[in-house]
Amino acid sequence: ILNVEQSPQSLHVQEGDSTNFTCSFPSSNFYALHWYRWETAKSPEALFVMTLNGDEKKKGRISATLNTKEGYSYLYIKGSQPEDSATYLCVEGAQKLVFGQGTRLTINP
Amino acid sequence: NAGVTQTPKFRILKIGQSMTLQCTQDMNHNYMYWYRQDPGMGLKLIYYSVGAGITDKGEVPNGYNVSRSTTEDFPLRLELAAPSQTSVYFCASRVTKTQYFGPGTRLLVL
Repeated sequence: ILNVEQSPQSLHVQEGDSTNFTCSFPSSNFYALHWYRWETAKSPEALFVMTLNGDEKKKGRISATLNTKEGYSYLYIKGSQPEDSATYLCVEGAQKLVFGQGTRLTINP
Repeated sequence: NAGVTQTPKFRILKIGQSMTLQCTQDMNHNYMYWYRQDPGMGLKLIYYSVGAGITDKGEVPNGYNVSRSTTEDFPLRLELAAPSQTSVYFCASRVTKTQYFGPGTRLLVL
């Protein structure tokens, strides 16, 4: 089982500020890196899937980058809004996915 | 498409009771998964299936059984419920690289 580590575990950000957090994963036998957004009492929702070193994906104010050689991915949120409050999960794998513990993001109005 | 549906939404079991958590997807996905999420923890894979008739253990399979007789359904069976199985259970299906999750089943074993 691969270890996927996310940091920080939790984060409080003022509305309007930008923020980012990190996912690290073993770089050997890499297949794909996923980011999911998970709101309380809901099911995880896919944000991005990245497979190639140097991949950058963007969805509105949220973007992500991937470095497979050094085994990390960053998720960026620009101009945070209260609706961005959620847990952001980083996941690596192919047939069997390995989930990080998540970064719980709270946006303070 | 309804996507991935799970029943029941919530259930309380007594220790030693059995139950089946239902999961159905209408997207014709071959891959299906069962995860559990314990309080303050991430998701742990219980079992997964790559197609009808094929299942395999995940990270935490003890105390559970699965079957996959059709593409659409992937039920999870608890034979002798234990307090350690108190959790939220998520079913998911996958096409290409993206997993689609069901709404979850909250199970309390007392």
